Amino acid sequence: QQQVRQSPQSLTVWEGGTTVLTCSYEDSTFNYFPWYQQFPGEGPALLISILSVSDKKEDGRFTTFFNKREKKLSLHIIDSQPGDSATYFCAALMATGGNNKLTFGQGTVLSVIP
Amino acid sequence: EAAVTQSPRNKVAVTGGKVTLSCNQTNNHNNMYWYRQDTGHGLRLIHYSYGAGSTEKGDIPDGYKASRPSQENFSLILELATPSQTSVYFCASGDRGRDTEVFFGKGTRLTVV
Repeated sequence: QQQVRQSPQSLTVWEGGTTVLTCSYEDSTFNYFPWYQQFPGEGPALLISILSVSDKKEDGRFTTFFNKREKKLSLHIIDSQPGDSATYFCAALMATGGNNKLTFGQGTVLSVIP
Repeated sequence: EAAVTQSPRNKVAVTGGKVTLSCNQTNNHNNMYWYRQDTGHGLRLIHYSYGAGSTEKGDIPDGYKASRPSQENFSLILELATPSQTSVYFCASGDRGRDTEVFFGKGTRLTVV
């Protein structure tokens, strides 16, 4: 059973456009939601994250939104660049006594065309 | 900068053979993880550890064992490798705390023939 669902599976946008990735989750005890970015041949790296007490976090061109009632989160990339082409994963975590276990979505392969 | 090193980076194994994937971290992190990445499934947790001497089952532990002999090292062991275990495996480390970053290695591509 997939606890974190991510869509779309792949996405192509033009340079300068806005990219929107979405995730939904089932476990209401999840309280921390990071997004990871992965380039070919590399491991995933943290891009941006949000706690369940917030509804929005911004970092440059990247913004993540969180909707606790609907159990959904999204990642927006404005002014998308070819260098943003990568695989993006949303993840969710329920911290238990300080010991963490991240659950990942299926990933979205983003291609930004010049 | 946080460093997680995996070895080997590529491995071809024979069905029924034993495979050991190794991971070393220099971050002094308590928690370490093994994930596998497959298209359409994202990253799935196999085993994890909260410290030296401890291992816990993740979401897909069947066919895998793990060993954490020290703070720095965490191994994933396939006692009897099968073609269905062909995948890219990632090791990661992170500290305790809800919003601490998890750092990944570059991955090991395993092919079981």
